[in-house]
Amino acid sequence: SQKIEQNSEALNIQEGKTATLTCNYTNYSPAYLQWYRQDPGRGPVFLLLIRENEKEKRKERLKVTFDTTLKQSLFHITASQPADSATYLCALPMDSSYKLIFGSGTRLLVRP
Amino acid sequence: ETGVTQTPRHLVMGMTNKKSLKCEQHLGHNAMYWYKQSAKKPLELMFVYNFKEQTENNSVPSRFSPECPNSSHLFLHLHTLQPEDSALYLCASSQPDPLAGGGYEQYFGPGTRLTVT
Repeated sequence: SQKIEQNSEALNIQEGKTATLTCNYTNYSPAYLQWYRQDPGRGPVFLLLIRENEKEKRKERLKVTFDTTLKQSLFHITASQPADSATYLCALPMDSSYKLIFGSGTRLLVRP
Repeated sequence: ETGVTQTPRHLVMGMTNKKSLKCEQHLGHNAMYWYKQSAKKPLELMFVYNFKEQTENNSVPSRFSPECPNSSHLFLHLHTLQPEDSALYLCASSQPDPLAGGGYEQYFGPGTRLTVT
């Protein structure tokens, strides 16, 4: 079965720097991959979806890459702000269905 | 707001109680989900309904019983829970589109923080 690996250690960076979070998967290459943001005690919020035939996707200060050879997605936040502090989750579809498997997330802390 | 509401937001119940969690989505989606989120663990998919039909029951104990009376409402009935069932229970909805290869994002409610004493 598909497994997702996200760094369990928090990423601590200075405001204004670029944050880079990693999502690795172990099995089949999915048709797409999604990134979510979750604040404490709240539900995840969808940020970006990238399909297997897309190398890169951007939305404002966010950028996602998808490397099916490395079985990896990178999530970048440029010009980071303290308000970007949250946990970021990677999600992949189960097999070929619409149901998702979520990673355990990486917590990002942006210092002012 | 995401268009998905959950009530109650917090619930404390004893092991012999019966309670229900409610979820409502105002997005016109066809699929609805229940997830369990425990501390430092990934989201665990519990149940999935697509067009009101249950399509996933992820080996969830029978003390959790889902109900989907229509495509906008989802319930999770709880009875004789254990302390290890304490967690954040999240409801989500999506619009799966097999013609587009799926991939539609999920919209989550704020969750119900459940404590079993």
